Amino acid sequence: QQQVKQSPQSLIVQKGGISIINCAYENTAFDYFPWYQQFPGKGPALLIAIRPDVSEKKEGRFTISFNKSAKQFSLHIMDSQPGDSATYFCAASTENNFNKFYFGSGTKLNVKP
Amino acid sequence: DTEVTQTPKHLVMGMTNKKSLKCEQHMGHRAMYWYKQKAKKPPELMFVYSYEKLSINESVPSRFSPECPNSSLLNLHLHALQPEDSALYLCASSAGQGSNEKLFFGSGTQLSVL
Repeated sequence: QQQVKQSPQSLIVQKGGISIINCAYENTAFDYFPWYQQFPGKGPALLIAIRPDVSEKKEGRFTISFNKSAKQFSLHIMDSQPGDSATYFCAASTENNFNKFYFGSGTKLNVKP
Repeated sequence: DTEVTQTPKHLVMGMTNKKSLKCEQHMGHRAMYWYKQKAKKPPELMFVYSYEKLSINESVPSRFSPECPNSSLLNLHLHALQPEDSALYLCASSAGQGSNEKLFFGSGTQLSVL
């Protein structure tokens, strides 16, 4: 059973547009939600993360929106650039088992020039 | 230094070979991880070492044997692998202090089993 469900599987956005990737979870014990960015041939890199006590976190062009009641969170990439083309993974973990991350299935983003 | 260094970058081995993957970090992190990643899939957790002790083993077959010689080094010993074990093997580390753990990944070892 997949603990974190991610959509869409792939996304094509024009340069300057907004990219939106969604994740949903069922386990209400999750208390930490990071997003990772992975380029081909590289390991994932932490992009931005949020805890459920805030509804939004922004870092530069990247924003996480968090809806605790709906058990959903999303990544918004504003002014998307070709250099943002990568695979994005959402993830979740619990305080009691903080070394174990449940990853979403990934979204391959292609930003067209 | 915020790097996790993995060697080798590529490895081709036969099913009867024994090989080892190596991982090193100098960030003072006390948790180290091995993940397996198949193409177009998310990383799958294999092992976690916390303060140099194995804390999580995700029911990984015994042909994979992890080792943590000290707080900076992590090895994965491979023996009698199967072709389906071909994948990108990622090492990661984190502070190991509790919630909000930030994983730092290496670039991985691309393993092909013939």
